Amino acid sequence: AQSVTQLGSHVSVSEGALVLLRCNYSSSVPPYLFWYVQYPNQGLQLLLKYTSAATLVKGINGFEAEFKKSETSFHLTKPSAHMSDAAEYFCAVGHTGTASKLTFGTGTRLQVTL
Amino acid sequence: DTAVSQTPKYLVTQMGNDKSIKCEQNLGHDTMYWYKQDSKKFLKIMFSYNNKELIINETVPNRFSPKSPDKAHLNLHINSLELGDSAVYFCASSQGAYNTGELFFGEGSRLTVL
Repeated sequence: AQSVTQLGSHVSVSEGALVLLRCNYSSSVPPYLFWYVQYPNQGLQLLLKYTSAATLVKGINGFEAEFKKSETSFHLTKPSAHMSDAAEYFCAVGHTGTASKLTFGTGTRLQVTL
Repeated sequence: DTAVSQTPKYLVTQMGNDKSIKCEQNLGHDTMYWYKQDSKKFLKIMFSYNNKELIINETVPNRFSPKSPDKAHLNLHINSLELGDSAVYFCASSQGAYNTGELFFGEGSRLTVL
């Protein structure tokens, strides 16, 4: 069984401040981990993914995430928030060897203020 | 040119009615999915088809029947609609059923059952 917990359903940061969105996972086998972003009234878009290569993963729009096995975490960060980053962010876990079936977290809404 | 397109985008209907949502992808992918996103933004997989063959069938009422006429299309038919069926339904596609989880989502179909 696999699951994802996103701490904080709502995060607010000032423009230019550090963005940190937390994700912890549970998986009985080595996981694949993902961050997806959903802008209002749109579908989800892949930000980045970890598939057992480098533990620090860089994605689009300046986001990155670090896989920490000892902490079962995959937190998403961005050094400097921009107004256009305001969206819903979803962490997801999957694993190879079975039909692709991602388990999503409940999402974190990121608000960026001036 | 939209990669994964769903129709209709909005659907308002009465309890007990039957409705369909259509999905088409032009990415050349061989695997397609239906996800349901509830009012709390929780995203859960419903079905997946690989080359027109059903490979994932989660615990979904049998009022929901997916159909894949070819690998570029996946439709969802819902019989005897209930209030609890109100949600946003997302179609997605990927290359390979056993891939590393990069899904491409449509913009969603918001279903409201009155």
